[in-house]
Amino acid sequence: GAVVSQHPSWVICKSGTSVKIECRSLDFQATTMFWYRQFPKQSLMLMATSNEGSKATYEQGVEKDKFLINHASLTLSTLTVTSAHPEDSSFYICSAQGGASLFFGSGTQLSVL
Amino acid sequence: GQQLNQSPQSMFIQEGEDVSMNCTSSSIFNTWLWYKQDPGEGPVLLIALYKAGELTSNGRLTAQFGITRKDSFLNISASIPSDVGIYFCAGLYGGATNKLIFGTGTLLAVQP
Repeated sequence: GAVVSQHPSWVICKSGTSVKIECRSLDFQATTMFWYRQFPKQSLMLMATSNEGSKATYEQGVEKDKFLINHASLTLSTLTVTSAHPEDSSFYICSAQGGASLFFGSGTQLSVL
Repeated sequence: GQQLNQSPQSMFIQEGEDVSMNCTSSSIFNTWLWYKQDPGEGPVLLIALYKAGELTSNGRLTAQFGITRKDSFLNISASIPSDVGIYFCAGLYGGATNKLIFGTGTLLAVQP
């Protein structure tokens, strides 16, 4: 089946630094990718919809200047957490739309010290 | 953000027992999906439902798309230890963008 690769799997950073997370569709082209955030023992919350070649669409309450999304190609979307703070520590998951199906990455655990 | 109401929140059962969980929404969805998530991993699709009233099975799993298109249930028969995990329902709006809204999750623990 289709595979979505997410990198890194985990990252620890100091408060105030920026962190970039990559989401790649390995064997299909994805014009649309989605970014989710999941806090411990909670559900996945949609942050934004990433569209290749255009600006991302952010969900209500998600700061677009803090969570920068770039979807520069049909196989890669990146999420950059800028000036990360401890409250940004979370599990970030991407999904990519391949045809009528959605495929999920394995997630990135971000810990901000 | 929007979430779907899922119940129960958690279940602790004995191996071999059947399990049932359900999901309700105030919104109508075109597609209902059920996922399982293991710790530190992304969700894995179990069953997809595309039509109101549809009943679909995948091995020991059975799920139904409610007639009103606002609810769905998932049954697991003869549970085994590897069924342990968090189960999420998800509603798909469809249309121009496949925006997926997740339920609050059901934690399943199975005692051998």
